[in-house]
Amino acid sequence: GEDVEQSLFLSVREGDSSVINCTYTDSSSTYLYWYKQEPGAGLQLLTYIFSNMDMKQDQRLTVLLNKKDKHLSLRIADTQTGDSAIYFCAEMGGKLIFGQGTELSVKP
Amino acid sequence: DGGITQSPKYLFRKEGQNVTLSCEQNLNHDAMYWYRQDPGQGLRLIYYSQIVNDFQKGDIAEGYSVSREKKESFPLTVTSAQKNPTAFYLCASSAPPRGGDEQFFGPGTRLTVL
Repeated sequence: GEDVEQSLFLSVREGDSSVINCTYTDSSSTYLYWYKQEPGAGLQLLTYIFSNMDMKQDQRLTVLLNKKDKHLSLRIADTQTGDSAIYFCAEMGGKLIFGQGTELSVKP
Repeated sequence: DGGITQSPKYLFRKEGQNVTLSCEQNLNHDAMYWYRQDPGQGLRLIYYSQIVNDFQKGDIAEGYSVSREKKESFPLTVTSAQKNPTAFYLCASSAPPRGGDEQFFGPGTRLTVL
């Protein structure tokens, strides 16, 4: 069945890089997404990658996709306290399936 | 400004009561969605609608009902049949899925059953 897995928590120091990992099961997924949720708010799309790409970079964000291992990662360079939030990966096959979310805590 | 609004932000309900959550969008999107978010479980799809006057059950539709009489509006009713309704509810909309199109989310409604 369709499933998306993420670790629940990540803690980093301000200025370090953060890497949030995600695994998925649906090999027919066409797009994979990273969403950000700040406390008490809705989700905001950060970036997405098409399934035939290996990497996508957008300013401080780098997405890596290993399609063979069905592994997706989001790297945030020079992490700031404003990056503290829950990050969801999601895959689009027939519908959008979300992971459980990774809570990123950035310590000064 | 275009966007999605949900109201109210916080809602309290007594056991046994039905309650309706509002979702409105002015993005001219055809598709709208309702998700439920529980701690550590991500988002689960309750209902979705691809077009006016049509909607489909998602993964956890039991105890919920929806209507889509207007393109802009997709209200969700949480009925007394829903066994554990306390959660954060998120509404979203998208243009017809063409791949790469994002779902735009509202700010959410936190429902607490007393």
